[in-house]
Amino acid sequence: EPEVTQTPSHQVTQMGQEVILRCVPISNHLYFYWYRQILGQKVEFLVSFYNNEISEKSEIFDDQFSVERPDGSNFTLKIRSTKLEDSAMYFCASKARGEGETQYFGPGTRLLVL
Amino acid sequence: KQEVTQIPAALSVPEGENLVLNCSFTDSAIYNLQWFRQDPGKGLTSLLLIQSSQREQTSGRLNASLDKSSGRSTLYIAASQPGDSATYLCAGLYGNNRLAFGKGNQVVVIP
Repeated sequence: EPEVTQTPSHQVTQMGQEVILRCVPISNHLYFYWYRQILGQKVEFLVSFYNNEISEKSEIFDDQFSVERPDGSNFTLKIRSTKLEDSAMYFCASKARGEGETQYFGPGTRLLVL
Repeated sequence: KQEVTQIPAALSVPEGENLVLNCSFTDSAIYNLQWFRQDPGKGLTSLLLIQSSQREQTSGRLNASLDKSSGRSTLYIAASQPGDSATYLCAGLYGNNRLAFGKGNQVVVIP
């Protein structure tokens, strides 16, 4: 069964460093998302991406964040200058089309900023 | 702001008992509502999706209901098993893009 994959599974970085989190959505999906979950808290929406542009972003998704679909298969989240409070599990998700479709989530990347 | 609340936060039940997990949402303008399962340190597995025009969805031992007017959804798990131990998250889809999640119901099924 097709699934969303994410790399790396864990990343440790120093405050102020740039990180890139990678995702490979399900191949025929058109909508792509990033969410994050700080330990012990709710899963929070960051950004949605469709037709090669951001369609919606939350207040969390400030200028330090960016997303890209550099080729036909990868979808990346970049954090330019990490802060301690960026430590969280980051989930990528994808959806086929329309509001009736299920969002399928990847296994997540656990980011720890020291 | 779309707030989603799940009660109880945690519960333990003996094996074989039926589970009832509650989810409430403040903004009834949802497109659909999804229930997910999350195992410790793992990703989210979609269990059921209920369209805003539907009242319930069933998959095996799982049944989820949706009442938009009262802003509630309930997940029923029949004849619980130790393998059902996990955190169950509900999430409402708003604006065709963002899912708003509850904090989850952490379930332990005691053998």
